[in-house]
Amino acid sequence: ETGVTQTPRHLVMGMTNKKSLKCEQHLGHNAMYWYKQSAKKPLELMFVYNFKEQTENNSVPSRFSPECPNSSHLFLHLHTLQPEDSALYLCASSPWTGAYEQYFGPGTRLTVT
Amino acid sequence: KQEVTQIPAALSVPEGENLVLNCSFTDSAIYNLQWFRQDPGKGLTSLLLIQSSQREQTSGRLNASLDKSSGRSTLYIAASQPGDSATYLCAVNSGYSTLTFGKGTMLLVSP
Repeated sequence: ETGVTQTPRHLVMGMTNKKSLKCEQHLGHNAMYWYKQSAKKPLELMFVYNFKEQTENNSVPSRFSPECPNSSHLFLHLHTLQPEDSALYLCASSPWTGAYEQYFGPGTRLTVT
Repeated sequence: KQEVTQIPAALSVPEGENLVLNCSFTDSAIYNLQWFRQDPGKGLTSLLLIQSSQREQTSGRLNASLDKSSGRSTLYIAASQPGDSATYLCAVNSGYSTLTFGKGTMLLVSP
């Protein structure tokens, strides 16, 4: 199993739907992250979890709700999204927060119609 | 607020050429700098990580340098191959795992 996996890889949802993105890491890391990559923009950090505790919320709208039940799993719950939320959502992990190398998953391509 | 700029935005070279990708950042108070590769529609693959106390890192045909005081890093790719075609991203860690990314350099190596 590769280090960081994400499901689904592609997701199309309407503005009134509720869906969840899943991330799992098999590296024994304690920190996990959600990033958003929109067309023509740099990657943006959304949330940081360290040992299941959220340590950073980078001014993300409440229609994005993260959940980290344990150090290996991270979810991003989505509801009432807007078309401009269409993007590639990337999950990453590192041994701890701080000056450690981050390892990324393949991403979920989200399209909001 | 940290800002990261990558130049050029796109680069096209014939196979076998040596090339340099540039990354600059506005705040020199960084913990480390990481170079990534991203293939179309895919996630990021970490290539090299340079800690703030280091000057360079090497991995195979890749060499990354860091001049923290001037806010610059370069990624040198030797003897480029078509398989090197991808977008290369530079990211700086300014503290507590906050990575700030540049927009990337899209590289095309033609046979």
